[in-house]
Amino acid sequence: AQSVTQLGSHVSVSEGALVLLRCNYSSSVPPYLFWYVQYPNQGLQLLLKYTTGATLVKGINGFEAEFKKSETSFHLTKPSAHMSDAAEYFCAVTLSGGSNYKLTFGKGTLLTVNP
Amino acid sequence: DVKVTQSSRYLVKRTGEKVFLECVQDMDHENMFWYRQDPGLGLRLIYFSYDVKMKEKGDIPEGYSVSREKKERFSLILESASTNQTSMYLCASSLAGAFNQPQHFGDGTRLSIL
Repeated sequence: AQSVTQLGSHVSVSEGALVLLRCNYSSSVPPYLFWYVQYPNQGLQLLLKYTTGATLVKGINGFEAEFKKSETSFHLTKPSAHMSDAAEYFCAVTLSGGSNYKLTFGKGTLLTVNP
Repeated sequence: DVKVTQSSRYLVKRTGEKVFLECVQDMDHENMFWYRQDPGLGLRLIYFSYDVKMKEKGDIPEGYSVSREKKERFSLILESASTNQTSMYLCASSLAGAFNQPQHFGDGTRLSIL
């Protein structure tokens, strides 16, 4: 079965500092991986996705993530945090093959950006 | 852009009532999903549908049912609402045919059962 673990339910950074949100997955077959962002009182919005090919994936709003198969990780980074990045971030995985399209989500990481 | 519209942003109902949550998407997506979101638990899949009149149970289907009579509309039904169903409910849709297709979400319905 697939699973996702997000390390740290709450991360706090200063404006301009590096953002690092951690995600590890468990999967016995090649995974497809996603990061979503949720702003207050809104639904989830896709930040970026990894399918196959290049392991460094660039997304919207200056975010990027690197797929590391050896570490089963897909950490999300941004070089310089902005106040508008304050939100909850979810990592999700789905498996290639199989007969369903289920996404399995991590429990989320709340990012706070301090002035 | 894909638009997924949930009929209500906030809803207050009483214990024992039958509750309907409606979701409409405008991009001809085959797949549609209902999740509930609770603090510290992330998103949990209730039901999903991969075609009209087709449905499959997700991880927490107990106490819920769904209806998909038209491709663009997916309804979640709480047969007899209980206080432990107070939650944020999110609808999503995606294209079929490839597992790398992202899901597109509505803005959610915050449901309170009194």
